[in-house]
Amino acid sequence: QVQLQESGPGLVKPSETLSLTCTVSGGSVSGDSYYWTWVRQPPGKGLECIGYISYTGSTNYNPSLKSRVSISADTSKNQFSLRLSSVTAADTAVFFCASLYCTRTSCYVRYWGQGTLVTVSS
Amino acid sequence: QSALTQPASVSGSPGQSITISCTGTRSDVGGYNFVSWYQQHPGKAPKLMIYDVSYRPSGVSNRFSGSKSGNTASLTISGLQAEDEAEYYCSSYASSSSYVFGTGTKVTVL
Repeated sequence: QVQLQESGPGLVKPSETLSLTCTVSGGSVSGDSYYWTWVRQPPGKGLECIGYISYTGSTNYNPSLKSRVSISADTSKNQFSLRLSSVTAADTAVFFCASLYCTRTSCYVRYWGQGTLVTVSS
Repeated sequence: QSALTQPASVSGSPGQSITISCTGTRSDVGGYNFVSWYQQHPGKAPKLMIYDVSYRPSGVSNRFSGSKSGNTASLTISGLQAEDEAEYYCSSYASSSSYVFGTGTKVTVL
């Protein structure tokens, strides 16, 4: 059973960079067919996929955020991270890390972290 | 990538059946059999209820079932129970190797 745990500051100032880390246990960020994903959910709103980094190290970002987003992985620590630059109040959200399991015949978010609220405010 | 379209709310009485729709395009729902459904209670992480259109993970009640026709997928909850009251999201793999969620549906048990 894979477990995911988000960590990082709960408060970020406008125009600064939001940084979060997800620690993976019970599985490997190098594991075949897994895509390590960040999803956000503004208060009272729906889920939005920010992007992911694959087990091969390739990345895919939501076009609406692509210019501000970077997702990376540290295989030695079995972690993956999110950086979102030039944040505004509109980026206030609960951020979930998740593992997307995708093969030629199957694709779904298999595991979720508990989520962490990040507020953008001065 | 645009969010998949779901009704904002669906309600039903205990014991009844309800169906939630999820409408996309040929580039997501209609193009792949990779639609999944998640249940989210307030303040909690989403929980996988259905994957790959119609498969149930171990431990999920057989009252939950999924299907797809063209660009629209559906989640049916039969024998509605108070514990089913939650927000439900569909999602799909999409072209350009992206992944998209639905707008979400609030299920109310009357």
